[in-house]
Amino acid sequence: QVQLVQSGAEVKKPGASVKVSCKASNYPFTTYGITWVRQAPGQGLEWMGWINPDNGNTNYAQHFQGRVTMTTDTSTSTTYMELRSLRSDDTAVYYCARGTTVTTKWGQGTLVTVSS
Amino acid sequence: DIQMTQSPSTLSASVGDRVTITCRASQDIHSWLAWYQQKPGKAPNLLIYKASRLESGVPSRFSGGGSGTEFTLTISSLQPDDFAIYYCQQYNSYPQFFGGGTRVEI
Repeated sequence: QVQLVQSGAEVKKPGASVKVSCKASNYPFTTYGITWVRQAPGQGLEWMGWINPDNGNTNYAQHFQGRVTMTTDTSTSTTYMELRSLRSDDTAVYYCARGTTVTTKWGQGTLVTVSS
Repeated sequence: DIQMTQSPSTLSASVGDRVTITCRASQDIHSWLAWYQQKPGKAPNLLIYKASRLESGVPSRFSGGGSGTEFTLTISSLQPDDFAIYYCQQYNSYPQFFGGGTRVEI
């Protein structure tokens, strides 16, 4: 079955960067975009943007412009989301999901904790 | 940006109840709306897309309606497995904001 498996939890200091991976399996990787969504503790869902693995095109939410980079490695069917200049309010679970409009399959989530 | 507003934020109900959640968009999004269910510690799960189309495998007690700026998610007969948080999301334009969520509790 279609699977998206994310990398493990991270603890970072303010100002640092984090890179979360999302490995896809059991479907043609380049035929679906990957969307990233985050959820702060006890809060709702925040759309971050997406990447098209076929051509590398991206669309980032204005809130993250300049701090986020999404990339893909088609040889390993893996998508990466890097967030820089971390702040305490970036503490959240970060999800990848298949699709760029409706997202039909989600990864398990990666907890990123930003703390000094 | 298109803002999404859900109501109520919390809904108390009992097994067997019919419940309706409302989602309003700040601009016309036609029928480009999805509904997701999220349980504690889990990723969201797609229920409805294009406002009223049931995702494969989702029980038929879930239904969606509306177009333009006002949408509804209805659960015809609430089951114990349905106690969760529900989110709407517009995908008419970027950024694809979610609503604030509706917690359905006993």
